[in-house]
Amino acid sequence: QKEVEQDPGPLSVPEGAIVSLNCTYSNSAFQYFMWYRQYSRKGPELLMYTYSSGNKEDGRFTAQVDKSSKYISLFIRDSQPSDSATYLCAMRTRNQGGKLIFGQGTELSVKP
Amino acid sequence: EAQVTQNPRYLITVTGKKLTVTCSQNMNHEYMSWYRQDPGLGLRQIYYSMNVEVTDKGDVPEGYKVSRKEKRNFPLILESPSPNQTSLYFCASSPNGGTGGYEQYFGPGTRLTVT
Repeated sequence: QKEVEQDPGPLSVPEGAIVSLNCTYSNSAFQYFMWYRQYSRKGPELLMYTYSSGNKEDGRFTAQVDKSSKYISLFIRDSQPSDSATYLCAMRTRNQGGKLIFGQGTELSVKP
Repeated sequence: EAQVTQNPRYLITVTGKKLTVTCSQNMNHEYMSWYRQDPGLGLRQIYYSMNVEVTDKGDVPEGYKVSRKEKRNFPLILESPSPNQTSLYFCASSPNGGTGGYEQYFGPGTRLTVT
């Protein structure tokens, strides 16, 4: 079983829809949770991060962490065609420094 | 411009022929890392370095070597490449791997094919 599970999709939605992307994990020691966005033929770029549990909002994006369920989510409101990309969750423990564990990524397509 | 650069961007080689993929960052970051990305498996960490002369294994280190002699450079060495090392490789850097390792800046990727 992988430490981090993410549905690879692809996920296709109409412009303006609310998008929900999710990851589950098995390691209860994970404390830092991140979402990266990767456009085609590019390297990933950090979108949002949260420490421990709770919600974080940044414009149209909201990240949620539920440590009791070992479940994290990224919501995109009013999705745009420019949001079409692969979204990767990533997480790490407090003491492992730079050792990040990534989900396999969800491919999102937002249709005009 | 702050960036992570990788060279070459594309490489086709044959089994057993030693190769090096270079990675350089101009942001004075302490932390650097190498990943490979494969369909269905996502990004997997190969090696990382918390600072000069400090390196550690990630999840898939077999068949790879790294060195960190200077802060800005972190080359990935394949001493005897095999076809199962055909993949898309990314280098990344971060200001502080200990507490800030979540904010990793990725290079553009190197697509390697081993025949």
